Amino acid sequence: GENVEQHPSTLSVQEGDSAVIKCTYSDSASNYFPWYKQELGKRPQLIIDIRSNVGEKKDQRIAVTLNKTAKHFSLHITETQPEDSAVYFCAAVSPWGNEKLTFGTGTRLTIIP
Amino acid sequence: DAGVTQSPTHLIKTRGQHVTLRCSPISGHKSVSWYQQVLGQGPQFIFQYYEKEERGRGNFPDRFSARQFPNYSSELNVNALLLGDSALYLCASSLTGSGEKLFFGSGTQLSVL
Repeated sequence: GENVEQHPSTLSVQEGDSAVIKCTYSDSASNYFPWYKQELGKRPQLIIDIRSNVGEKKDQRIAVTLNKTAKHFSLHITETQPEDSAVYFCAAVSPWGNEKLTFGTGTRLTIIP
Repeated sequence: DAGVTQSPTHLIKTRGQHVTLRCSPISGHKSVSWYQQVLGQGPQFIFQYYEKEERGRGNFPDRFSARQFPNYSSELNVNALLLGDSALYLCASSLTGSGEKLFFGSGTQLSVL
């Protein structure tokens, strides 16, 4: 089955700086890669996603890049703000007809004011 | 629009008991998935139901079962509870059932004593 590895497990950046979180996946057939943000005690929220036929997608301060050959994808957050502090999860979906998301282990991002 | 709603929010049970968790999807969504999130880890896929039929099952024992009702709400049942079943149980819904644009509820925090 699919396996997703996520790094780093914790990340601290100064407010205003950029943050990058990286994930690798094992199943070359995976074709959809969402990123979720989970604040303490709250639900995971979809913040950006990318399909395998696209190399990069951007939404304001957030961007995701995908390298299908290397089987890795990354989340980039620019001009970080205190409200960006949360745990971020990457995930991969294989096209086998069901809705199984395989999640990474999460990155705790702390923005230092 | 109401999001995905889950009940109860918290539950305390003892070993050997059974539990029923409930989920109402976003209006118009026909797919419901269940995930288990142990503290400090990413969510793990348990089940997916689409149009009232099981479409996928994760690597969980037969003590876990689920169903989806004609109104697309869903129940997750866990029998013979073990200490290791203590976790946050998340329900998610989507329009297509393909894994894309999955929206999560706030979860049920289950503690097994």
